[in-house]
Amino acid sequence: QKEVEQNSGPLSVPEGAIASLNCTYSDRGSQSFFWYRQYSGKSPELIMFIYSNGDKEDGRFTAQLNKASQYVSLLIRDSQPSDSATYLCAVGRWAGSYQLTFGKGTKLSVIP
Amino acid sequence: KAGVTQTPRYLIKTRGQQVTLSCSPISGHRSVSWYQQTPGQGLQFLFEYFSETQRNKGNFPGRFSGRQFSNSRSEMNVSTLELGDSALYLCASSSNGFGQQNSPLHFGNGTRLTVT
Repeated sequence: QKEVEQNSGPLSVPEGAIASLNCTYSDRGSQSFFWYRQYSGKSPELIMFIYSNGDKEDGRFTAQLNKASQYVSLLIRDSQPSDSATYLCAVGRWAGSYQLTFGKGTKLSVIP
Repeated sequence: KAGVTQTPRYLIKTRGQQVTLSCSPISGHRSVSWYQQTPGQGLQFLFEYFSETQRNKGNFPGRFSGRQFSNSRSEMNVSTLELGDSALYLCASSSNGFGQQNSPLHFGNGTRLTVT
């Protein structure tokens, strides 16, 4: 049973601070790692993906992957109230077909 | 490029009825996946279609079925609806093809199904 674990939160950070969101996964064969943002009542929106160990930066977002520890994180710098949403970690593997397994998400609240 | 389009956006059905949801993927995407999202269970995988073939299926009862057409559009059907089927149903497309690929999924706006 492939599992993706996230702290459900809520994680509250002040505006301008760094928000750190964490995710662990159980399937050592996982190959792709994604972060989605989901506003209340809306569908998930892809914000970052990473395939190799290390850091990947895109604007205010940095994804970090450590396959040995089966750990992936998302850092949001200079957090804004508009970043308040649920962040979903998703882990993918190709095994004849492709399937993403999602965590239940971490709710982030950025306080003005 | 137009995104993933799902219709209808909202549906209200009664127990025992059946429902069909529709999804048009991003142009050029041939892989279509369906997910069910509920507050308690999060996003759960239903099935994935590629080139009109179901490649993968999640742990849902046979009441949940789907199909994909030659233009990559997909439909999902739920028969004999139960109260527990109330959820947001999300369709996602990707550029994943025949070989080993790990492209991201791009989601539609979803269909919110309420069963009374």
